[in-house]
Amino acid sequence: GQQVMQIPQYQHVQEGEDFTTYCNSSTTLSNIQWYKQRPGGHPVFLIQLVKSGEVKKQKRLTFQFGEAKKNSSLHITATQTTDVGTYFCARSNYQLIWGAGTKLIIKP
Amino acid sequence: NAGVMQNPRHLVRRRGQEARLRCSPMKGHSHVYWYRQLPEEGLKFMVYLQKENIIDESGMPKERFSAEFPKEGPSILRIQQVVRGDSAAYFCASSSDSREDEQFFGPGTRLTVL
Repeated sequence: GQQVMQIPQYQHVQEGEDFTTYCNSSTTLSNIQWYKQRPGGHPVFLIQLVKSGEVKKQKRLTFQFGEAKKNSSLHITATQTTDVGTYFCARSNYQLIWGAGTKLIIKP
Repeated sequence: NAGVMQNPRHLVRRRGQEARLRCSPMKGHSHVYWYRQLPEEGLKFMVYLQKENIIDESGMPKERFSAEFPKEGPSILRIQQVVRGDSAAYFCASSSDSREDEQFFGPGTRLTVL
């Protein structure tokens, strides 16, 4: 199947540090979506990218779609405790094909 | 405008029993999707339905699992003769005709098979 690979699986950061998660596909993606899932919660749609090289920002979150439309990243600047959760990328072809997610953990 | 509703939120069944999971899409949404999530994993697509039609059930096991989305009432995901491996969170999502690519998720049903 046309899977989406996502790394890393976990990222431990101190509050205030940055966080980045990456998604890669062996095939060209028509679009990429990003979701956040809090512990015990359900996925919440963050954004969709469709254009080659697209960069979108939501406050401290920056989303990028690669020029070849085969990779994407989500970068969070100066993490806060409210950012804790798992971030998923997914490609949409009416059904969503999900990456494995990257769990953001804030070190105590 | 209520979001996607799922019930029950938690369901406990013994091996061999049946589990029925319900999903009411957002108002005005006619597309329903079911996903399964195991702990520490991403969601896995199971089935895509529109009113009274199964569009794609390629992610759903051939045996014991069935889904429907009747003309009236919620979508139902039915698991017969549950086994321990069916324990997971089952999420329903819905989308509209005009924005099929934007799916809104319900809170999920967490199924535990004893």
